[in-house]
Amino acid sequence: AQKITQTQPGMFVQEKEAVTLDCTYDTSDQSYGLFWYKQPSSGEMIFLIYQGSYDEQNATEGRYSLNFQKARKSANLVISASQLGDSAMYFCAMREGISNFGNEKLTFGTGTRLTIIP
Amino acid sequence: NAGVTQTPKFQVLKTGQSMTLQCAQDMNHNSMYWYRQDPGMGLRLIYYSASEGTTDKGEVPNGYNVSRLNKREFSLRLESAAPSQTSVYFCASKGTSGGVFRLAKNIQYFGAGTRLSVL
Repeated sequence: AQKITQTQPGMFVQEKEAVTLDCTYDTSDQSYGLFWYKQPSSGEMIFLIYQGSYDEQNATEGRYSLNFQKARKSANLVISASQLGDSAMYFCAMREGISNFGNEKLTFGTGTRLTIIP
Repeated sequence: NAGVTQTPKFQVLKTGQSMTLQCAQDMNHNSMYWYRQDPGMGLRLIYYSASEGTTDKGEVPNGYNVSRLNKREFSLRLESAAPSQTSVYFCASKGTSGGVFRLAKNIQYFGAGTRLSVL
């Protein structure tokens, strides 16, 4: 079974609109972390936002917020007031287990290509 | 602040050739990782090094070897390249914050990637 599922291969959104990118995950661990990364056309992987499994509030980082619904095992990324520079691939990733042991790994979803239309 | 530096950025090999991808980080991180990215498959872990002096296999280690040369450097070697190893390779590093039971972010920071083609 896929540990991270991103069901939207591609999305087109009008500039200045809000956009939600879906991510569902599968784990039996109680302790885990969820990450979103952005990959622009230049290819680098840019960290956007993090949500810990015990965090009671949804994470926010500027225009990015994470809609974390633990019971549904979903961690959707919300981008408010989209900009042309938001056009990129977006990856959801999960870290299982306690973080401070260096042997924990990230499992990535297949990504969503977001295109912002002027 | 350079962060994670990968060399080379592009490489073309013939089947059977060998090469080493270099990775260095200047963030004093303990853990380092090598991933490959193929179309439609996200990133998959090849090898990782939890700390200096240790290395372990990830999800797709076959055909690769790694060396954690020191705390800063973690190299990936293809001994006999195959077309199936055509991919984009990413190196990442991660620090650890204090407290064993603290669920810290411990973000993995990535290099810019190496695009490898094996003909």
